[in-house]
Amino acid sequence: DAGVTQSPTHLIKTRGQQVTLRCSPISGHKSVSWYQQVLGQGPQFIFQYYEKEERGRGNFPDRFSARQFPNYSSELNVNALLLGDSALYLCASSFIDNEQFFGPGTRLTVL
Amino acid sequence: GQQVMQIPQYQHVQEGEDFTTYCNSSTTLSNIQWYKQRPGGHPVFLIQLVKSGEVKKQKRLTFQFGEAKKNSSLHITATQTTDVGTYFCADLTGNQFYFGTGTSLTVIP
Repeated sequence: DAGVTQSPTHLIKTRGQQVTLRCSPISGHKSVSWYQQVLGQGPQFIFQYYEKEERGRGNFPDRFSARQFPNYSSELNVNALLLGDSALYLCASSFIDNEQFFGPGTRLTVL
Repeated sequence: GQQVMQIPQYQHVQEGEDFTTYCNSSTTLSNIQWYKQRPGGHPVFLIQLVKSGEVKKQKRLTFQFGEAKKNSSLHITATQTTDVGTYFCADLTGNQFYFGTGTSLTVIP
């Protein structure tokens, strides 16, 4: 079985630009969560989507948005990028509140 | 918001020694999950604890959930070089996952 996949692997953007990150969950998983991980820190929860509805939201500004599609894949959008948005963005899928399976992440660099 | 602290932040051990990381919260923890992240990798699920006082074992790893549900611990017996990585606890409260600050384990051969 394929694991969680994320695209792109790496991304370089400049301040003020917008970015879209993509995630495909493990087959059968209906929950997708997004995390931001800055080097040397633990993952910070951004969003959880379940059955295409937002189920949880972390303490991130409105520049961050996400959605989940009928096939349970998900996109994370970040507008008006700041230097501080540079991080590893992780996607995790699960059945609901069970163990989360993380993807390899998207490394975003904002210049 | 919820803050989940882990101690120690870093731990260097000689191969064969034991290792313990502690996860503490000022508020009651609901549903504790433990993850391991290897350098350059992504978090990998280890275990989930939900009951007060729960103890679970996986080979050389022992996980505990405190009686008051305000702390949890992970103990590794006789560390091996394959145990290298950062260990995170994560709590699910109010539809949000709160990851701890992590403990980075280095095992010296």
